[in-house]
Amino acid sequence: AQSVTQPDIHITVSEGASLELRCNYSYGATPYLFWYVQSPGQGLQLLLKYFSGDTLVQGIKGFEAEFKRSQSSFNLRKPSVHWSDAAEYFCAVGPDSGGYQKVTFGTGTKLQVIP
Amino acid sequence: GAVVSQHPSWVICKSGTSVKIECRSLDFQATTMFWYRQFPKQSLMLMATSNEGSKATYEQGVEKDKFLINHASLTLSTLTVTSAHPEDSSFYICSARIASGRIFDEQFFGPGTRLTVL
Repeated sequence: AQSVTQPDIHITVSEGASLELRCNYSYGATPYLFWYVQSPGQGLQLLLKYFSGDTLVQGIKGFEAEFKRSQSSFNLRKPSVHWSDAAEYFCAVGPDSGGYQKVTFGTGTKLQVIP
Repeated sequence: GAVVSQHPSWVICKSGTSVKIECRSLDFQATTMFWYRQFPKQSLMLMATSNEGSKATYEQGVEKDKFLINHASLTLSTLTVTSAHPEDSSFYICSARIASGRIFDEQFFGPGTRLTVL
């Protein structure tokens, strides 16, 4: 079965510093990969997605992610973090190996930004 | 574009009552909608997949008689928590997939509904 691992439960960075959130996946074929952000009490907003093509994907709010098949990773990066980036970040992979339209989410990484 | 709304955004109810949560795709048609449940500080757990005009497909361990899902139109799906109990208190999030004809598409998420059962 497919799975997503986000090794870091909680990350603290200083405002203006660079950020990298890790995501590793297990999937039997070429995956569709997503990064979502969730602010407290809110739904999920899509930051970026990888379906095929260029392995470096640009998203909204200055985020990017790189798909590395050899490492089964899809890490999220941002060169300079803003205080408003403090939120929970979820990596997700789909579709379900049974062919369904399901997406599997990681357990999330909570980002804290300090002045 | 691709906006999904949920109503209500939060609800408090007494134990034993039923609560209905609506999920609407505002500017697109959604053949498939998904219902997730999220406990505090945890990830989203898929409860069921709802296809317009057919019965929902529930994930293992989810009681279909307790969590009634209806997807009566291409823009509306409802989740009814029947005879709610305190352990049903959670954040419920729906998502919708655009009917693009592609094999797989991203999901667009609603803002969530916070259910508190007293």
